[in-house]
Amino acid sequence: DQQVKQNSPSLSVQEGRISILNCDYTNSMFDYFLWYKKYPAEGPTFLISISSIKDKNEDGRFTVFLNKSAKHLSLHIVPSQPGDSAVYFCGVGSGGSNYKLTFGKGTLLTVNP
Amino acid sequence: GAGVSQSPSNKVTEKGKDVELRCDPISGHTALYWYRQSLGQGLEFLIYFQGNSAPDKSGLPSDRFSAERTGGSVSTLTIQRTQQEDSAVYLCASSLGTGRLYEQYFGPGTRLTVT
Repeated sequence: DQQVKQNSPSLSVQEGRISILNCDYTNSMFDYFLWYKKYPAEGPTFLISISSIKDKNEDGRFTVFLNKSAKHLSLHIVPSQPGDSAVYFCGVGSGGSNYKLTFGKGTLLTVNP
Repeated sequence: GAGVSQSPSNKVTEKGKDVELRCDPISGHTALYWYRQSLGQGLEFLIYFQGNSAPDKSGLPSDRFSAERTGGSVSTLTIQRTQQEDSAVYLCASSLGTGRLYEQYFGPGTRLTVT
């Protein structure tokens, strides 16, 4: 049973437009949410995060939205750039003492010039 | 500053052999995590270290998998009697262990292929 789901395996957008990546989770105990970006042959790199006490966090072109009632997380990238093309993973933290992250399967974003 | 490093970057081994994967975390990071990513799958949690102790080993798939960490720094993940289903990219991550605990910094991974 997947606790974190990224239902779109891939997404293609035009340069300059908005990219919206989605993530759904099942456990209401999750209290910290992160997005990571991964290029081929590299490890994931931290992008942006949000805690459960907020519903929006913005960092430059990247904004993460959290809808706790719907157990839904999204990442908006605007404007999208070709260099944003990568696999995006959402990770959720379950609290407790280990700060373990549970990840979705990822969404491959392709930004076309 | 140096990031998380892992070695080897690639490892091909025969079924039944033992392998050892190494992770050097960011200096000063007390928390260390091992994950693996199988083909078409997300990142699967394996084990977590805080300092040299591993309070959460819940993700280790079988007793063929073990890990240790020494000096609060380097960690090794050992897989005994490797099987083909162990083929995956093994990722190590570290975090400060205080403050922004969830922000983990990943190494480039070790791609393990069991033939």
